[in-house]
Amino acid sequence: GAVVSQHPSRVICKSGTSVKIECRSLDFQATTMFWYRQFPKQSLMLMATSNEGSKATYEQGVEKDKFLINHASLTLSTLTVTSAHPEDSSFYICSAIQGLGYGYTFGSGTRLTVV
Amino acid sequence: GNSVTQMEGPVTLSEEAFLTINCTYTATGYPSLFWYVQYPGEGLQLLLKATKADDKGSNKGFEATYRKETTSFHLEKGSVQVSDSAVYFCALINNNNDMRFGAGTRLTVKP
Repeated sequence: GAVVSQHPSRVICKSGTSVKIECRSLDFQATTMFWYRQFPKQSLMLMATSNEGSKATYEQGVEKDKFLINHASLTLSTLTVTSAHPEDSSFYICSAIQGLGYGYTFGSGTRLTVV
Repeated sequence: GNSVTQMEGPVTLSEEAFLTINCTYTATGYPSLFWYVQYPGEGLQLLLKATKADDKGSNKGFEATYRKETTSFHLEKGSVQVSDSAVYFCALINNNNDMRFGAGTRLTVKP
């Protein structure tokens, strides 16, 4: 079945630094990937839709300059949290669509802690 | 617009109890319906899906039937185990590949 690899699974960074999270589709090409944020005991909040070869589409209220998304190839999307602050600490999850009717395949998530 | 409403948790059951987690949806057209499961500290895994009315999705003892007349996709399992403790998300995807999630239902199964 379709596999999406997300890396790293956990990262701790200092306030003010930037962190990059990678999302790879391992056995299929994904023209569209999605980035979510999940707060403790809450549902997933869609942050942005990542489109291969074009700019990402951000949801309302998500800062484009803070959460930089790059989707340079059909198998890789990256999310960079710039100038991270403690309030950015969260669980970030990516997903990709294998094709119509398949649903989304999710990465295993990245726990970001900003200290 | 498209949306999913699922039963609020948390749900706590004893091992071998019967589980039902309700899910209803609002959508135009004919969406595909999904249940995802999230174990602690992990991403979401597809549990089962149904792509048209009256289809039944099943996996690992879990079942859900796509009911167009009641716009529902309730998740059921006849006998839950401790290892089923997780958060369950109902979701739909429509023609434009836009997936909508329910709020999630946390299930805890006690021995």
